[in-house]
Amino acid sequence: GENVEQHPSTLSVQEGDSAVIKCTYSDSASNYFPWYKQELGKRPQLIIDIRSNVGEKKDQRIAVTLNKTAKHFSLHITETQPEDSAVYFCAASFHYTGRRALTFGSGTRLQVQP
Amino acid sequence: EAQVTQNPRYLITVTGKKLTVTCSQNMNHEYMSWYRQDPGLGLRQIYYSMNVEVTDKGDVPEGYKVSRKEKRNFPLILESPSPNQTSLYFCASRPQEGSLHFGNGTRLTVT
Repeated sequence: GENVEQHPSTLSVQEGDSAVIKCTYSDSASNYFPWYKQELGKRPQLIIDIRSNVGEKKDQRIAVTLNKTAKHFSLHITETQPEDSAVYFCAASFHYTGRRALTFGSGTRLQVQP
Repeated sequence: EAQVTQNPRYLITVTGKKLTVTCSQNMNHEYMSWYRQDPGLGLRQIYYSMNVEVTDKGDVPEGYKVSRKEKRNFPLILESPSPNQTSLYFCASRPQEGSLHFGNGTRLTVT
């Protein structure tokens, strides 16, 4: 099955700096890569996703890049703000015969220092 | 409001006492799933269901049961809970092509 590794496990940045979280996946058949943000005591919520036919996707201050050859994808947050502090999860999924199994990374705790 | 509703939010029980965590979604999603979240391990899938009467094991199914008698409901059953099932549980659903919508979570403690 799919295996997703996520680094770093914790990340502390100053407000206004950029933050980068990296994930690698093992199954070359994976074709869907979502990122979830989980604030303290709350449920994970989708913040951005990318499909394998696209190399980069941006949404305001967040962007995701995908390198299919190397089987890794990254989340980039620019101009970080204290409200970006949360745990971020990457995930990888493959779609076959109508089934899609989503495998999550172990999470990155991002702390933005004001 | 479109949502996934889990109950209860918090549950403390003793080893061996059967319990059920309910999950209901009002978005007519075919796919539903249960995850457990443990520190350092991320979200691990317990069971999932592609549609009514169709369920499959995820990565960590041991000690759990599920049923999907109706499209909107997907209860998680622990027949004989053990302390290693102490965790934060999330139910989620998604449409055929789309992203997961999570419930608010159920924090279970088994003593």
